[in-house]
Amino acid sequence: GQSLEQPSEVTAVEGAIVQINCTYQTSGFYGLSWYQQHDGGAPTFLSYNALDGLEETGRFSSFLSRSDSYGYLLLQELQMKDSASYFCAVRDNYGQNFVFGPGTRLSVLP
Amino acid sequence: GAVVSQHPSWVICKSGTSVKIECRSLDFQATTMFWYRQFPKQSLMLMATSNEGSKATYEQGVEKDKFLINHASLTLSTLTVTSAHPEDSSFYICSAQKGGGTYNEQFFGPGTRLTVL
Repeated sequence: GQSLEQPSEVTAVEGAIVQINCTYQTSGFYGLSWYQQHDGGAPTFLSYNALDGLEETGRFSSFLSRSDSYGYLLLQELQMKDSASYFCAVRDNYGQNFVFGPGTRLSVLP
Repeated sequence: GAVVSQHPSWVICKSGTSVKIECRSLDFQATTMFWYRQFPKQSLMLMATSNEGSKATYEQGVEKDKFLINHASLTLSTLTVTSAHPEDSSFYICSAQKGGGTYNEQFFGPGTRLTVL
């Protein structure tokens, strides 16, 4: 089986930096993805890490350590519009299954 | 771009009726589509993986006779909730994977909110 863990909630102020962690236990591993979902909306893809290290895309960066079964999403220069739920997701190495973490609700305060 | 649409965006039905939800990839061909269910303030739960021209693969605990999935073409997959009950009320989201390969990106539809009275 597979399980992913994320903090349930994170609160930060505009302009700050926040890190959302994700740990996973999987029978296989085919990459860690991050998605953003605003209330009532569909998830949107943010980033993907297949190899160890940091991937940077604008204000968002994602990190992966396969030896630690750990990754994080780093959001810089927070804006009010970043208030949303953030999900990490792992793809099963032995199939096409995507397993989503429980999600972290980020609240950005003025 | 890679756009996925769903229809309808919301539906209200009576208990015992069947509801069909369509998922279309508008500007690309999707060999694989996924169906998820999401309850309020919870994560996405994968229901089934749908491959064009073959039977869907259902996750454990998902009744294949209740949630009928058809992936008739490379741009269309449908989910039919048969004999819907109030506990089936949820947000149903499809996603489409562009081609094959190792890249992990899925493109999500806007979701369909089902309310069963």
